[in-house]
Parts: sequence; C-alpha cells; structure tokens
Amino acid sequence: IAGITQAPTSQILAAGRRMTLRCTQDMRHNAMYWYRQDLGLGLRLIHYSNTAGTTGKGEVPDGYSVSRANTDDFPLTLASAVPSQTSVYFCASSDGGGSGTDTQYFGPGTRLTVL
Amino acid sequence: GQNIDQPTEMTATEGAIVQINCTYQTSGFNGLFWYQQHAGEAPTFLSYNVLDGLEEKGRFSSFLSRSKGYSYLLLKELQMKDSASYLCAVKDSNYQLIWGAGTKLIIKP
Repeated sequence: IAGITQAPTSQILAAGRRMTLRCTQDMRHNAMYWYRQDLGLGLRLIHYSNTAGTTGKGEVPDGYSVSRANTDDFPLTLASAVPSQTSVYFCASSDGGGSGTDTQYFGPGTRLTVL
Repeated sequence: GQNIDQPTEMTATEGAIVQINCTYQTSGFNGLFWYQQHAGEAPTFLSYNVLDGLEEKGRFSSFLSRSKGYSYLLLKELQMKDSASYLCAVKDSNYQLIWGAGTKLIIKP
C-alpha cells in the first residue's frame, strides 16, 4: 500500500451500535488526524495524535474516541452511534513536528450513515 | 471565534482564468493552505503560503496578504478536470488547521 487507507469505504449503521473506522498509513508520519466533512461546513477536527501513544481532542470530539498504539494505525470509534454522526470521515497524516509547513495528506474517506 | 470565508460556488469557462478568494480571522497565523477536492474524493494539497506575496506553481498560483487576512487561488488556462471544490485552510497559533467550507468551481465548455 502507498499513502493512507481507510476502511470501510461506506457503511450504514443502526443508531446505538458501536462502530470502528480504520485508518492505516505507510509513510511513517508522526501525526495523524480524524476529520468529519458535512455539506456546507468546513472539515472539522475530531481527534488527533502528534505521535504514537498520545492523542488529543479536536473541535468536535464528543461521541468519538481514538487510540494510537503504533505509528501506522489510528482507529476512530463511535461507542453508540447517533444520526448526527452521519458524515464523511477523513483520516489524514503529516510529518508532524509542529512546523507551519507541515502538510496533511488525506485518505479516501469513509461515508457513514446512521439510521 | 475563528472564521474562514470563501464563496460557495463559482462558474468559469474552459480556457479562462478564475480567482478564488479566501478571507480569514484566526487566533494566530502559521501559514495558509489550499487543497483541491474532486467530488467523492479526498482533499489533495495544492499550495502553502506563509509570507506575503505570490507563489506560482504551473497553472495555479496562490497569493497571501497577512495584514488583510486575505488569500486567493488563481487558476489559469482552465481545463474541465479543474471542476472541483477548493478548500482554504489556516494553521492557527496551536498549529491546528482551520478550514473554510470550500468553493465549488464549475467549468463550462
């Protein structure tokens, strides 16, 4: 694989169910991010990780959790899905280091519908 | 609060030039990014500006004025494949990206 992969590509989920979105990168990037994208709104940061073993909350973290056990993987879990979590979810990664030039690269996205 | 403003939609003709504007109000500034996003796909990086002035990259150029909180993306010799959304994002004082809602660019033959 090259770059960032996400799974599944799309999913329809019943409200109240637990769901984990998977994200794997092979670029040895230190930092990883989860965003959601909704029509008419900019990308909103859910959670991020500056390096393996650490995570932080973004702008819209409620209802979501993440873990970063190693450099490559950054799964996002919805503990009990609600319809307002219907969205397209993008995972991204970057070299990190906190510099302004640090550029984020995105995975193909997961389209999630919660009914 | 932090805010990034872009036009929602623009239309241009194949072969022409189009300028997409972005204004921002953020807590701190550590650079401005432009990304391209085709429908149903991931955003892809186009350009980065941190100093005032124009950065040119082939048919695409990006301009920044930090004193005015303003940037634009200039696309020349438009092609049908340039039909996409263009996202403006600013890195704030915490080095987090704040994103605009994007400008949908429609290219007509």
